[in-house]
Amino acid sequence: AQSVTQLDSQVPVFEEAPVELRCNYSSSVSVYLFWYVQYPNQGLQLLLKYLSGSTLVKGINGFEAEFNKSQTSFHLRKPSVHISDTAEYFCAVKFNAGGTSYGKLTFGQGTILTVHP
Amino acid sequence: GAGVSQSPRYKVAKRGQDVALRCDPISGHVSLFWYQQALGQGPEFLTYFQNEAQLDKSGLPSDRFFAERPEGSVSTLKIQRTQQEDSAVYLCASSLPTVYEQYFGPGTRLTVT
Repeated sequence: AQSVTQLDSQVPVFEEAPVELRCNYSSSVSVYLFWYVQYPNQGLQLLLKYLSGSTLVKGINGFEAEFNKSQTSFHLRKPSVHISDTAEYFCAVKFNAGGTSYGKLTFGQGTILTVHP
Repeated sequence: GAGVSQSPRYKVAKRGQDVALRCDPISGHVSLFWYQQALGQGPEFLTYFQNEAQLDKSGLPSDRFFAERPEGSVSTLKIQRTQQEDSAVYLCASSLPTVYEQYFGPGTRLTVT
């Protein structure tokens, strides 16, 4: 079965500390990988994506993620967080199977990142 | 430019009422998606349109849910005879074809009482 798991529902961290938000997926087919951020009462905004090529992907706001095919993971990292990074983060996967050429996404449950001063 | 817009932003319906949720995608985006986001959960796929054609409706939870996009632009998600379990945020997203970056609207929060 194809699924996406975010291992931590909440991650508290102090300002200027590093953070890692974990995402694992289960699939027997190739995947495209995404991280989205959702601020309160707003829609989702794309942080970064992996489609092919280098497994280390850099996104907006200083975030980066690394695709690890053997571990079926796509963890999100930031070396130094700010108060403004407080939001909910979603990992999403497009499973490339069954002739699905469009971008139907399967999302994880979300991780709430809270940055404390 | 303008992003994806959705209306209404909030909707309260009594159980058994019909509701209609509107999505205005980014101009020129032929792909349009609807997702349902229950409280504390990630979005779940409902349906997909390419222009006016509904190519995938595998995520619609019951035959009470119906979506349309008659002119290939604005889309409407209709829920008939609403139930409490329909309470959720309904997100619309649009994209260019085969470009996998989806642009999301702010969502419509539906509360069924």
